[in-house]
Amino acid sequence: DAKTTQPNSMESNEEEPVHLPCNHSTISGTDYIHWYRQLPSQGPEYVIHGLTSNVNNRMASLAIAEDRKSSTLILHRATLRDAAVYYCILRDNYGQNFVFGPGTRLSVLP
Amino acid sequence: EAGVAQSPRYKIIEKRQSVAFWCNPISGHATLYWYQQILGQGPKLLIQFQNNGVVDDSQLPKDRFSAERLKGVDSTLKIQPAKLEDSAVYLCASSLGPGLAGNEQFFGPGTRLTVL
Repeated sequence: DAKTTQPNSMESNEEEPVHLPCNHSTISGTDYIHWYRQLPSQGPEYVIHGLTSNVNNRMASLAIAEDRKSSTLILHRATLRDAAVYYCILRDNYGQNFVFGPGTRLSVLP
Repeated sequence: EAGVAQSPRYKIIEKRQSVAFWCNPISGHATLYWYQQILGQGPKLLIQFQNNGVVDDSQLPKDRFSAERLKGVDSTLKIQPAKLEDSAVYLCASSLGPGLAGNEQFFGPGTRLTVL
């Protein structure tokens, strides 16, 4: 079973920031927090991952709560191409139990 | 850099028939994954290979599904015989390795299977 909880869907306006939340209250000390997204009719693609500290890359930022029981994926300026299903996944050092939940379907309005 | 290749992209068969899917991972990637994605759900891991050995096949329905990765490169996933509930997209992914090296998985476009 997925160990994360995400809203089923969210909407955003184009060029505005988007904050996608994820709850993972049963996270263990060795679990990394991963985000993938899946555009329509494509396979998932990696977005970002982190362990304890906030992380930034060219696609997004990942803000991790101090107690690590929740995290937020931040898209700084949503574009129409960011419309996708976003998955938050926990993964340990050994790559075990990489379980996708249903994710959050993000709609971006022009 | 070439991505993960899968074929065919689409397949329609009748129940009780057999079907096979092929995957060519990114060159140099030691770990290969097969996922099943039913409409409206997230992908579910079926099997994970490390080179040509199986690391995890706990969710593979072994009475009808089989997979192999000869020579640690290409892989095939077979269903025999197919059931209606096997209708799904079958995704192949690869990563440099297991553990921390597997933090970034690269997915292929998938094969959409319809069982009538």
